[in-house]
Amino acid sequence: AAGVIQSPRHLIKEKRETATLKCYPIPRHDTVYWYQQGPGQDPQFLISFYEKMQSDKGSIPDRFSAQQFSDYHSELNMSSLELGDSALYFCASSLSARLALDEQYFGPGTRLTVT
Amino acid sequence: KQEVTQIPAALSVPEGENLVLNCSFTDSAIYNLQWFRQDPGKGLTSLLLIQSSQREQTSGRLNASLDKSSGRSTLYIAASQPGDSATYLCAVKNSGYSTLTFGKGTMLLVSP
Repeated sequence: AAGVIQSPRHLIKEKRETATLKCYPIPRHDTVYWYQQGPGQDPQFLISFYEKMQSDKGSIPDRFSAQQFSDYHSELNMSSLELGDSALYFCASSLSARLALDEQYFGPGTRLTVT
Repeated sequence: KQEVTQIPAALSVPEGENLVLNCSFTDSAIYNLQWFRQDPGKGLTSLLLIQSSQREQTSGRLNASLDKSSGRSTLYIAASQPGDSATYLCAVKNSGYSTLTFGKGTMLLVSP
């Protein structure tokens, strides 16, 4: 079965650079979520999109932005990178955020290292 | 604000034992609860999802229960195997459009 695809899987950037992470949800899934997981931490919600509109916002820094495109893929843009941005970034997708059966499926993550 | 707590933080058992992982949440008005497995440095694999109207879900050797009124869920793993070694995360969803709030996980080690 198709899963959530994230690219790149690994990314190394220097401080103050920018980075773009991409997420391709499971086919027919209309909702995308972004999470950040620091070393030894639980995943922290950043932002989500439902039908290409932002549906919820968590602890996403102002330096970050995201969008969902017409084909439902999503991109997380990160600017002025800081050392503390080094983390595993997960994308998850679900069939419909409105339903109680809404189950989030996670991608393999992008490991971002800021040096 | 929803808070999710998992006990114990770490657990080490010999192969073959049955074990229980605990998850508690402060706001009982949840939409659903998901249990995930995470291997070191890897992604999250969804194990079970329990809707707020359900009391339990089963998948193979795994059984998850939900007591919404008391704000608790348990993940029961039968006949544990070394391949079960991973971190198990509990996450709750509070409303239709809200995201998941995760616990800090239980790190399980099953020794041969």
